[in-house]
Amino acid sequence: DAGVIQSPRHEVTEMGQEVTLRCKPISGHDYLFWYRQTMMRGLELLIYFNNNVPIDDSGMPEDRFSAKMPNASFSTLKIQPSEPRDSAVYFCASTGSIAYGYTFGSGTRLTVV
Amino acid sequence: GIQVEQSPPDLILQEGANSTLRCNFSDSVNNLQWFHQNPWGQLINLFYIPSGTKQNGRLSATTVATERYSLLYISSSQTTDSGVYFCAVGTGGFKTIFGAGTRLFVKA
Repeated sequence: DAGVIQSPRHEVTEMGQEVTLRCKPISGHDYLFWYRQTMMRGLELLIYFNNNVPIDDSGMPEDRFSAKMPNASFSTLKIQPSEPRDSAVYFCASTGSIAYGYTFGSGTRLTVV
Repeated sequence: GIQVEQSPPDLILQEGANSTLRCNFSDSVNNLQWFHQNPWGQLINLFYIPSGTKQNGRLSATTVATERYSLLYISSSQTTDSGVYFCAVGTGGFKTIFGAGTRLFVKA
């Protein structure tokens, strides 16, 4: 099992540009989570999906952020337009059952200049 | 929403020492996990423990749900134990909130 796969590992973009982060969950896991980590705010849950359906997006900071899960093996988090304050590490995690805990990907370090 | 407090915020140990990390939470939970974030940023799930006690090698965890706290024990610490330890809790569904973490440094 390759684990949760995120791409890219690092992204540097200019303010105003569109950024798309990608995640492939572990096969068979039907829950997928997007978290953001910053020094100031720690780890924040942005949104989570169950069976490809968004269940709770109350953590999405504003309309510039959107997330989709078109199928069980792929999810995207898009920021348009990006701003310097969006700079953070974005993690994707998945699980098939809460009893097994969450498996996190390696994260995408986003820098917006 | 639920509040999660972890203590101590920072901890420095000599290799071989034991330690106890604490997580207090403000409401009943149905989901509690401990994670280790290593110095390279990878988050590793250590335990799913909404109640009771579990052990995995040198690590063990106890959650007393009625008193709203959980403890993570690290015995015979090693330099590879360095990093940040997070407690994460949920009160319903799969919405899981992370504490601020305990940063551990183990000296050789």
